Amino acid sequence: QVQLQESGPGLVKPSGTLSLTCAVSGGSISSYNWWTWVRQPPGKGLEWIGEIYHSGSSNYNPSLRSRLTISVDKSKNQFSLKLSSVTAADTAVYYCARRAMTMVRGSWFDTWGQGTLVTVSS
Amino acid sequence: DIQMTQSPSSLSASVGDRVTITCRASQSINNYLTWYQQKPGKAPKLLIYGASSLQSGVPSRFSGSGSGTDFTLTISSLQPEDFATYYCQQSYSTPLTFGGGTKVEIK
Repeated sequence: QVQLQESGPGLVKPSGTLSLTCAVSGGSISSYNWWTWVRQPPGKGLEWIGEIYHSGSSNYNPSLRSRLTISVDKSKNQFSLKLSSVTAADTAVYYCARRAMTMVRGSWFDTWGQGTLVTVSS
Repeated sequence: DIQMTQSPSSLSASVGDRVTITCRASQSINNYLTWYQQKPGKAPKLLIYGASSLQSGVPSRFSGSGSGTDFTLTISSLQPEDFATYYCQQSYSTPLTFGGGTKVEIK
């Protein structure tokens, strides 16, 4: 059974870069799935940040694209998020998730990490 | 972007009640609609995918229906462990988008 685990600093200074890694265990990152980042500001709803395929192809939320980089490291079976020029508005719980793909029924996030709170503050 | 609108944003219900949550997409998304349950401090949990398919291990009191732009999540008999926030999400096109959530509280 695939498991995901986020890691990274819990505190980032304004204008700095938020960096997180998601380790994939129990399965290969080279499977037929997209590897995704989702965030949730305290007390608010869910926002899709972006995703990457093992080939390196990526999709980003246009609202974050100019500040966002998502990368994959197949040798370590993990993928990463970098969000630059952060402000307090980027304070959120950040989740990594697996988006399972099908040809007929669409796709869905079937496996999630536990989430990690990142606070942007000086 | 496809906007997902859930209603109501919150509801109060009693154990044993039948609960219905609706989700409307701003354009047709076929059946590319997923429902999640989220409890405080926890990651979302997959309930329903493809608008109506029950994820393995999810109790049969949960059901989903709809196609195109209008979808519903129904809990046939609310149980104590069902008090949570529910989100819909479309996978028809990127950016993938979620509804604003429906918080189900104890009456």
